Amino acid sequence: EADIYQTPRYLVIGTGKKITLECSQTMGHDKMYWYQQDPGMELHLIHYSYGVNSTEKGDLSSESTVSRIRTEHFPLTLESARPSHTSQYLCASSESTANFDGYTFGSGTRLTVV
Amino acid sequence: GENVEQHPSTLSVQEGDSAVIKCTYSDSASNYFPWYKQELGKGPQLIIDIRSNVGEKKDQRIAVTLNKTAKHFSLHITETQPEDSAVYFCAATDSWGKLQFGAGTQVVVTP
Repeated sequence: EADIYQTPRYLVIGTGKKITLECSQTMGHDKMYWYQQDPGMELHLIHYSYGVNSTEKGDLSSESTVSRIRTEHFPLTLESARPSHTSQYLCASSESTANFDGYTFGSGTRLTVV
Repeated sequence: GENVEQHPSTLSVQEGDSAVIKCTYSDSASNYFPWYKQELGKGPQLIIDIRSNVGEKKDQRIAVTLNKTAKHFSLHITETQPEDSAVYFCAATDSWGKLQFGAGTQVVVTP
């Protein structure tokens, strides 16, 4: 049973539209992450947060932005979607370092920009 | 920073045979090594993990081994079944406590 939820599961949207991908977790985890996953399988970290009001860019440059106003919520926004943004987006969360036990991933959002 | 390499990228095995996936890491300070399984249309799920003070861990048909000196760790799946078909990722903690993932292995179990 998932404790981290992503919505929508699938999204097809036109070029130039603003979109927000939602991610919520009920585990009280401090740390949250966004990954982009292309058909080539690899997971690319695009954003992460170590707590409320903390956000950092990941290893892969992304035009998306994130916010962390509440512990449980870590939305990702694209101001103007482009076909190059078509991808699978995965959200994850984890405990603080002292109790680190790996990441819990959501089911992902499959985004298609036409 | 931490660099995790994973091999092979694809692995085809006959049902009932064993599958082995190998990973190497670069940061000697890494102390946690999880393995994730990703089925089609789902997010990666943790299947087994190992910490740096342990050399081997087993859970039913899956086992993980860690060689800290050589900086490599492996996933072993015995008596493979069709439901083992998935993408598998290894990972290791970096100096910031984040996970660095391998590139993934597509495992196909053929009947």
